[in-house]
Amino acid sequence: GQQLNQSPQSMFIQEGEDVSMNCTSSSIFNTWLWYKQDPGEGPVLLIALYKAGELTSNGRLTAQFGITRKDSFLNISASIPSDVGIYFCAGRSAYSGAGSYQLTFGKGTKLSVIP
Amino acid sequence: NAGVMQNPRHLVRRRGQEARLRCSPMKGHSHVYWYRQLPEEGLKFMVYLQKENIIDESGMPKERFSAEFPKEGPSILRIQQVVRGDSAAYFCASSSGAVKYEQYFGPGTRLTVT
Repeated sequence: GQQLNQSPQSMFIQEGEDVSMNCTSSSIFNTWLWYKQDPGEGPVLLIALYKAGELTSNGRLTAQFGITRKDSFLNISASIPSDVGIYFCAGRSAYSGAGSYQLTFGKGTKLSVIP
Repeated sequence: NAGVMQNPRHLVRRRGQEARLRCSPMKGHSHVYWYRQLPEEGLKFMVYLQKENIIDESGMPKERFSAEFPKEGPSILRIQQVVRGDSAAYFCASSSGAVKYEQYFGPGTRLTVT
């Protein structure tokens, strides 16, 4: 099946710093999404991207759909303590069958913010 | 709160018992997806349903697992004769018909098989 490589696996940053994480695939994806999951909860949708090169912001979060369609990036500016959590990339492969809407998830980036 | 609802939040079953997980989609959504998450892992797709129809069950084990989304009531994921390897968090997501990739997740059911 499709696999997404997400990096870094974990990161510790000081409050106020900017954060970058990325997701890559060996095959082309036609949809990228970024989710955040808090302990004991379900993932919360942050940003959805549908076009190669697309750059979309949601508050302090900015995500980009890579030009090659094989990667995506998420940036968080001026981090705050409530940014702590696990961030997942997810996407739909361009080779998924018609009528298939399953999402493939990365393994997550665990973010810790030091006050 | 019109979000995706799942119950129970925690479920403990002994090996060989049946587990039933329920999911009510977000108001206005008629598409339901089930995913499984193991510790330290991402979510893995299991099955996609619309009302009364299974659309894609390619991620669901052929044996012991079944899913339904009846005309009335919540979607049900059923696991028969549970084994220790079934212990995981099971998440349900829903979407509208217009934007299927924007899937909104419930809080999950944590299944523990003893």
